[in-house]
Amino acid sequence: QSVLTQPPSVSAAPGQKVTISCSGSSSNIGNNYVSWYQQFPGTAPKLLIYEDNKRPSGIPDRFSGSKSGTSATLGITGLQTGDEADYYCGTWDSSLSAVFGGGTKLTVL
Amino acid sequence: QVQLQESGPGLVKPSETLSLTCAVSGYSINSGYHWGWIRQPPGKGLEWIGIINHSGTTYYNPSLKSRVTISVDTSKNQFSLKLSSVTAADTAVYYCARHKEGVDWFDPWGQGTLVTVSS
Repeated sequence: QSVLTQPPSVSAAPGQKVTISCSGSSSNIGNNYVSWYQQFPGTAPKLLIYEDNKRPSGIPDRFSGSKSGTSATLGITGLQTGDEADYYCGTWDSSLSAVFGGGTKLTVL
Repeated sequence: QVQLQESGPGLVKPSETLSLTCAVSGYSINSGYHWGWIRQPPGKGLEWIGIINHSGTTYYNPSLKSRVTISVDTSKNQFSLKLSSVTAADTAVYYCARHKEGVDWFDPWGQGTLVTVSS
């Protein structure tokens, strides 16, 4: 059971928009920055969003992050088949631990 | 360009100690950041193991703390993971990654190495 809660899967058609939620508590998301990671099968996770809503160099602006209270959201617009991957949220917890969500599998129909 | 590369045995017997090393290139561990280990059991999500900084300060996952030791060798620009008394539940892909303290993101990540616990 992950500390952060994500939907197991989401899906949308190419060109559409999708959002992935990440729910936590005041012990983690509520008082710390959230990051998001993209993972393709058989490869390492890649940083997609950091400090709630910032994009590393090279990440398209189709990807966005937001946070409100104890929940965070990853948004992806203009969906492409190449966006099919697993997405994880992560943050720090007051237990002095890094924590991750259980991951969300994105399917582009 | 910062790169991390894990190395170590791919097969460990139950009750023995898993040992992995992460070699860092393109950045000096002494220059800052934390350096961490994350694992992913087959078909499952990410589990944080722990982090260390250049001076040896560590933070461990409470659920693994009794079995985990992370150490750093600044002369070789690498850090290591030891996980004792392993069981089949410790079978996973083990990743090393650079961690930014205070804002808590991991980047970049190593390619990962699969460790199987089996007799």
